[in-house]
Amino acid sequence: DMKVTQMPRYLIKRMGENVLLECGQDMSHETMYWYRQDPGLGLQLIYISYDVDSNSEGDIPKGYRVSRKKREHFSLILDSAKTNQTSVYFCASSLGQGNSDYTFGSGTRLLVI
Amino acid sequence: GDSVTQTEGLVTVTEGLPVKLNCTYQTTYLTIAFFWYVQYLNEAPQVLLKSSTDNKRTEHQGFHATLHKSSSSFHLQKSSAQLSDSALYYCALSSSGSWQLIFGSGTQLTVMP
Repeated sequence: DMKVTQMPRYLIKRMGENVLLECGQDMSHETMYWYRQDPGLGLQLIYISYDVDSNSEGDIPKGYRVSRKKREHFSLILDSAKTNQTSVYFCASSLGQGNSDYTFGSGTRLLVI
Repeated sequence: GDSVTQTEGLVTVTEGLPVKLNCTYQTTYLTIAFFWYVQYLNEAPQVLLKSSTDNKRTEHQGFHATLHKSSSSFHLQKSSAQLSDSALYYCALSSSGSWQLIFGSGTQLTVMP
């Protein structure tokens, strides 16, 4: 069953704490993405990864960093979380360039208090 | 750069009536594919429709859309809305020169009994 798995599903953190969101895929997709979703703003691209250790900033990278050491695994890190980073975070993967669609994970709902 | 516009943030329709969600785009590339994603409450976005052929109708789950390059549009339609169609719908563009989908801001469809 081809899928993207995100952990954890729900997370509550205090302001200033570090946050690690993890994402895995079993389709050997080269390209992976992190998005955040906020009401009225749609899906905003944080980072894109073209393959292992080949990452690029998306539209809103400030306050985030990523790590991809294995093709099937892509992590999003928030160093010193802020309340305005409260959001739903989605990971996705695709075959990459061209008309490839995304497979999304189920999302991580992060609350920073 | 590429852009996708969904003019309605919220659409409300009565069950059994037709519904149309608008999507227009701007792109500088010739080879493109279009997608409609649907996101049910507390779930991940998933592909509903995909098309890359001009003037060809694409159908799935009772929804249909036709890519019209002459008017830069890919509107989503259904002849008879169902309560279960209530969801957030995203239009997205994939161009040959890019590794990422360009998403519209989304349209929340609510079907009322």
